[in-house]
Amino acid sequence: GENVEQHPSTLSVQEGDSAVIKCTYSDSASNYFPWYKQELGKRPQLIIDIRSNVGEKKDQRIAVTLNKTAKHFSLHITETQPEDSAVYFCAAPRGAGANNLFFGTGTRLTVIP
Amino acid sequence: EAGVTQFPSHSVIEKGQTVTLRCDPISGHDNLYWYRRVMGKEIKFLLHFVKESKQDESGMPNNRFLAERTGGTYSTLKVQPAELEDSGVYFCASSPRITPGELFFGEGSRLTVL
Repeated sequence: GENVEQHPSTLSVQEGDSAVIKCTYSDSASNYFPWYKQELGKRPQLIIDIRSNVGEKKDQRIAVTLNKTAKHFSLHITETQPEDSAVYFCAAPRGAGANNLFFGTGTRLTVIP
Repeated sequence: EAGVTQFPSHSVIEKGQTVTLRCDPISGHDNLYWYRRVMGKEIKFLLHFVKESKQDESGMPNNRFLAERTGGTYSTLKVQPAELEDSGVYFCASSPRITPGELFFGEGSRLTVL
């Protein structure tokens, strides 16, 4: 079965700096890798996802990179702002083609103004 | 369009009592998932409904947990009898497709077992 590991568990950055969160997975058949953001007291929301046929995807200040050979994927946030402060979760499917997800343990990002 | 709604938002019960959590998915979403997050740990899968049928219940911890989705609309998750280790935030999510794509989460039900 799939296993997802996420690092770091906490991350503090100065406003305007970049933040990088990394995840590794174990199942080479996994083909879909989403990232969810959970602000304090709110619901987790999808912010970006990548499928295994691409190596990088960008959406304004956020990007995700995927290395299928090494089985890891990363979230990059540039020009961080205080509203980026939240818990971020990476995830991978529990099985090929499945929408049930294994989530990482989360990274609490704090952006210091 | 209304999002996924969960009730109650917070429940405090004593060990041995029963609690029932409810989830109303987005209208038209056949797929409904229950997840649980214990403090500081991963969001852990519990089970997946497709309409009223249990597609995958391999994440259910034990037989003290019972999930239903009568009529393929809202779902309930009952914990009976509750134990201390059942404390956590229970999330419900729904999606229109069974193939990989966005999950729409509710805000969660925080369960505290004393």
